[in-house]
Amino acid sequence: QVQLVESGGGVVQPGGSLRLSCAASGFTFSSHAMYWVRQAPGKGLEWLAVISSDGRQKYYADSVKGRFTVSRDNSKNTLDLQMNSLRPEDTAVCFCAREGRPGSFDPWGQGTLVTVSS
Amino acid sequence: QSALTQPPSASGSPGQSVTISCTGTSSDVGGSNYVSWYQQYPGKAPKLLIHEVNKRPSGIPDRFSGSKSGNTASLTVSGLQAEDEADYYCSSYAGNSKYVFGTGTKVTVL
Repeated sequence: QVQLVESGGGVVQPGGSLRLSCAASGFTFSSHAMYWVRQAPGKGLEWLAVISSDGRQKYYADSVKGRFTVSRDNSKNTLDLQMNSLRPEDTAVCFCAREGRPGSFDPWGQGTLVTVSS
Repeated sequence: QSALTQPPSASGSPGQSVTISCTGTSSDVGGSNYVSWYQQYPGKAPKLLIHEVNKRPSGIPDRFSGSKSGNTASLTVSGLQAEDEADYYCSSYAGNSKYVFGTGTKVTVL
């Protein structure tokens, strides 16, 4: 079955960096755009980034542009999110998601928690 | 990108219907058919309920339906069941390959 599993979350100090990964299985990874979405504790969902199926096109939310970088390795079926210059307001559960039907996020991984605190 | 506006809460008794609105602008909801809806239980990942305004993926009960008028999209849950108590989020394509989510609505089954 289609499965997405995130890893790499943890506690980091303000200004620090963290690299998240998302391992995909059960579908042809190289045929789908992929997304990162986050959810701060007790808050709503926030779209962060999208990467095209071939990895050539990448787009970011204004809130993370210039600090976060999305990448993928279609030979390993993995999606990454490099997070730099982290701020306390970046504390959130980060989800990876596949583009299912056009314009939709389906399915989602279980999420990985990023905590930015001194 | 400003979040789409949803009511913080909605409620209904079992068997009743509840409708959740999702208001954006002509740059997102009003200008796109890529409006989708998600259900999220506490501590769990969101699940796709509706895509492209009113299309249900396989396995989603027909109690869930979506529509759009102008800059406002809506999700209707008919025949409310206890298991429908969850948070619901809308999402819309916002142009320039970017997306925006709604503020979320907590549905309570009375």
